[in-house]
Amino acid sequence: GAGVSQSPSNKVTEKGKDVELRCDPISGHTALYWYRQSLGQGLEFLIYFQGNSAPDKSGLPSDRFSAERTGGSVSTLTIQRTQQEDSAVYLCASSLGPDRVEFFGPGTRLTVL
Amino acid sequence: GESVGLHLPTLSVQEGDNSIINCAYSNSASDYFIWYKQESGKGPQFIIDIRSNMDKRQGQRVTVLLNKTVKHLSLQIAATQPGDSAVYFCAENTGNQFYFGTGTSLTVIP
Repeated sequence: GAGVSQSPSNKVTEKGKDVELRCDPISGHTALYWYRQSLGQGLEFLIYFQGNSAPDKSGLPSDRFSAERTGGSVSTLTIQRTQQEDSAVYLCASSLGPDRVEFFGPGTRLTVL
Repeated sequence: GESVGLHLPTLSVQEGDNSIINCAYSNSASDYFIWYKQESGKGPQFIIDIRSNMDKRQGQRVTVLLNKTVKHLSLQIAATQPGDSAVYFCAENTGNQFYFGTGTSLTVIP
């Protein structure tokens, strides 16, 4: 597709379960970002991938959060042992580089019961 | 971390009027700025950007103004339409990462 896609669009899970969120960036974009957005809040940076470099994980809130990017394209954000405070919209963005426009996907709305 | 803030969390304007949304940034080294629009249930959408070597940039119905002296960024929307109702974020970049403000909610009154 022409834009960033994310799946699923909505995910409802029970506390303690693991979830995987997927992001397909725009083809050719070397940079990929994950953000978290709570209701009425701004974007909280989680993790950043740039090409083959080691990811910047400085925004991950706990060791329950991890992400990988396979083949420099698709990325998966994994949240283990989900907690209610993990409920938020998880946004993925991609760009041609660290100082280029970020294009966002539609997000995955995660609800932890 | 960096802080990017907005002066007004909410803004209501009459349809047809001009809107001005403001943003203050904290890092004088930031050299690239973007305004995003986010409609309910959707991801942020790029509106317009500006680099620090400019103080004004115009798009279709939108203008971004950058005042580096006071570290202030504004978005002007001309002839605001109901479809402009959304949350608007500013973002600053220091060359490695963007930092986003919390957003201003714009409501257009028909």
